[in-house]
Amino acid sequence: NAGVTQTPKFQVLKTGQSMTLQCAQDMNHEYMSWYRQDPGMGLRLIHYSVGAGITDQGEVPNGYNVSRSTTEDFPLRLLSAAPSQTSVYFCASRRSASGSNEQFFGPGTRLTVL
Amino acid sequence: KQEVTQIPAALSVPEGENLVLNCSFTDSAIYNLQWFRQDPGKGLTSLLLIQSSQREQTSGRLNASLDKSSGRSTLYIAASQPGDSATYLCAAATPGATNKLIFGTGTLLAVQP
Repeated sequence: NAGVTQTPKFQVLKTGQSMTLQCAQDMNHEYMSWYRQDPGMGLRLIHYSVGAGITDQGEVPNGYNVSRSTTEDFPLRLLSAAPSQTSVYFCASRRSASGSNEQFFGPGTRLTVL
Repeated sequence: KQEVTQIPAALSVPEGENLVLNCSFTDSAIYNLQWFRQDPGKGLTSLLLIQSSQREQTSGRLNASLDKSSGRSTLYIAASQPGDSATYLCAAATPGATNKLIFGTGTLLAVQP
């Protein structure tokens, strides 16, 4: 199993540009989520999905969209990039929505918005 | 609202020393407590998961304990090695609409050869 994969690893955007961060998992996990990691603030939940076709907002959803058309993929879209979205983005998955399951993380995408 | 704190923020020890990393949480109503390791510029690697009904978990030189009543978890690393140098994060799985993980801000560990 490749686990949780993310592309790209690095990205530089200009303010106002849009882009999609890709995330895929091959563990047949129902639950997938996106976090951002900022210095001194830990990881914060952006959006999550409990299964194909079902998504919901986390703590910091503004400026981001998600969709879940398949079990495997959970892309994160930045609609109009802002410097405040400069961060490291992690995708994660676990077997089900139950909080008792172990969570696995991808390698991250390092995004800089100029 | 669940808050997770890790103290100290940074720790430097000589190789071979046994050490303890601390994690505290404010709400004892958790599903589990998960410890992660993060190397510079890398993702999070899961080290140990302790369910709320368990007291401890062990993997190799690592031992994690959980005391829900006091809101504390510790990660014990035996016979530390330079390769253990990394940031260690704890996260509490908290019941609620999202069943999300609440993360501490981590302890940066440096093991000096």
